[in-house]
Amino acid sequence: GNSVTQMEGPVTLSEEAFLTINCTYTATGYPSLFWYVQYPGEGLQLLLKATKADDKGSNKGFEATYRKETTSFHLEKGSVQVSDSAVYFCALSDRRAGNEKLTFGTGTRLTIIP
Amino acid sequence: ETGVTQSPTHLIKTRGQQVTLRCSSQSGHNTVSWYQQALGQGPQFIFQYYREEENGRGNFPPRFSGLQFPNYSSELNVNALELDDSALYLCASSLRFGDGDRGYTFGSGTRLTVV
Repeated sequence: GNSVTQMEGPVTLSEEAFLTINCTYTATGYPSLFWYVQYPGEGLQLLLKATKADDKGSNKGFEATYRKETTSFHLEKGSVQVSDSAVYFCALSDRRAGNEKLTFGTGTRLTIIP
Repeated sequence: ETGVTQSPTHLIKTRGQQVTLRCSSQSGHNTVSWYQQALGQGPQFIFQYYREEENGRGNFPPRFSGLQFPNYSSELNVNALELDDSALYLCASSLRFGDGDRGYTFGSGTRLTVV
């Protein structure tokens, strides 16, 4: 079945540091890939997505590139801010499943210190 | 446009009881999915409803059931509650056939505690 493996956290960085959160996936088809963010006490918000190989998703300074050859979708940001502190989830969906359900990783808690 | 609204926000139930959680989907969306997020874990797919019928189910026992109404709102029912059912339950709406790649719109969730 489909699965997502995320870099284990928690991750603590200083403000303006470079961020990478690793994500690899296993899928039988050609999934779409997502990064979701969850702020304390809230639901999930879509951060960015990519639907096919070599696509780059980007939003709010975050980027991730769909790498089919390495089955990866690593999240990066060049200069993090305190407001980026949250839990980040990598996820995939496979349209062939008929219901496009999301399969999530376990999440990576990110804390940015001033 | 309105987002996804879930109620209640918090709930405490006793083992063996039954619970109903509610979700109003985002305007224009016709599909509702439910996820269970245990503490420190990623969300796990429970099931999805499209046109008032179940359209896929995850690895959850039959005591987890759902409904979707003509206005696309939805309920999640859990019977015979167990301690392990304590979790954040997330509802997500989407527009089937065309919106799957844009991702879902999630509600803020219902925090269920079973004691």
